[in-house]
Amino acid sequence: KNQVEQSPQSLIILEGKNCTLQCNYTVSPFSNLRWYKQDTGRGPVSLTIMTFSENTKSNGRYTATLDADTKQSSLHITASQLSDSASYICVVSAAAGGTSYGKLTFGQGTILTVHP
Amino acid sequence: DTEVTQTPKHLVMGMTNKKSLKCEQHMGHRAMYWYKQKAKKPPELMFVYSYEKLSINESVPSRFSPECPNSSLLNLHLHALQPEDSALYLCASSYLPGQGPYEQYFGPGTRLTVT
Repeated sequence: KNQVEQSPQSLIILEGKNCTLQCNYTVSPFSNLRWYKQDTGRGPVSLTIMTFSENTKSNGRYTATLDADTKQSSLHITASQLSDSASYICVVSAAAGGTSYGKLTFGQGTILTVHP
Repeated sequence: DTEVTQTPKHLVMGMTNKKSLKCEQHMGHRAMYWYKQKAKKPPELMFVYSYEKLSINESVPSRFSPECPNSSLLNLHLHALQPEDSALYLCASSYLPGQGPYEQYFGPGTRLTVT
């Protein structure tokens, strides 16, 4: 069964500090891995998408890594800001044949709280 | 413009009401999606439209009826809902469905409360 597990479930850090969120997946065959940021009551916003051949991708203060061999990904946030407080969701897309939909498997998310 | 818009933002309806949620994108995307999200849970896929045709129905109860009038619009018709259907309903779109790292752009959601 395709699964995506994230850790920790929640995290509290002080403004200006760095943090790393983890994602392990068992989705197969693998197509791509995405990290989304979701503010409370809002739709998710994409941070990065990585395919099998990519092992690092950055978007401003966000850097995602992917190890397709161990099926692990991490999201590193540098110099955190109060606005980084949100849920961070790891989503893995399975490869599919032809133009069939490649189903997304969502992790449960990590709730990050940044305190001043 | 990378925006997906959804209306209304909030909706309160009784169990006997009929209402519709609307979603619109003008990015030329050919895949559109409806998700349901309960509090502190990840989004759950409900429907996928590919080239304006329903391609995926994740065993959603018939009281939810999707409609794709054209490539830019997606509706979700609601009828005889239950209180447990209260949730955030998210619309998303992507350039194409299926393979490839096609970004899914999410709308802000409609907060639905069924009384």
